[in-house]
Amino acid sequence: DTGVSQNPRHKITKRGQNVTFRCDPISEHNRLYWYRQTLGQGPEFLTYFQNEAQLEKSRLLSDRFSAERPKGSFSTLEIQRTEQGDSAMYLCASSLRQGGLRRPAGTGELFFGEGSRLTVL
Amino acid sequence: DQQVKQNSPSLSVQEGRISILNCDYTNSMFDYFLWYKKYPAEGPTFLISISSIKDKNEDGRFTVFLNKSAKHLSLHIVPSQPGDSAVYFCAASAFNNDMRFGAGTRLTVKP
Repeated sequence: DTGVSQNPRHKITKRGQNVTFRCDPISEHNRLYWYRQTLGQGPEFLTYFQNEAQLEKSRLLSDRFSAERPKGSFSTLEIQRTEQGDSAMYLCASSLRQGGLRRPAGTGELFFGEGSRLTVL
Repeated sequence: DQQVKQNSPSLSVQEGRISILNCDYTNSMFDYFLWYKKYPAEGPTFLISISSIKDKNEDGRFTVFLNKSAKHLSLHIVPSQPGDSAVYFCAASAFNNDMRFGAGTRLTVKP
């Protein structure tokens, strides 16, 4: 399977605990994204990496959230001191960003994993 | 701030008829637009895209139309099939920036 892989698929935790999600992108993709999705909403951007560099973080990403992509391959998203409001589906996606040219149609789309569902009790 | 809006949470059509899903955006810097389809328990999958230099892109039964002056795009599916039943997300991005998604429209195609 050469798609985007996320684990665990489902995590149930008590409020105040720390959780970590892992994402393995498509191997040749240089960009990796984290999104959060709650019921009835579309994916909300959290952060993204180009190779190992974290280029942008959303205002949604509080100090309790941290993401890393240490070797430019897999990434982890850690949530410290979880709150019930953190319950959501955490989606990882990857893409191949080529050069600095204006992208033609058909490129730049994101390839999503199946997501990691977090339930905070 | 919701820069990409899908105002219809659900749509129901008869098999064989046309499905039209709509999307509006507010950020004039967006120059690339995509539609994703999502089945339950799966991540969104890319369906079709359009660059701002075009006003129409067609791929089989799927056509995306872009009206830049109205900041509006739509996805046409014709003929609709029961297997098309899913949640459809509109997404947009500005060059070199992250992608923003709408809240989604749940399409139900009835046999």
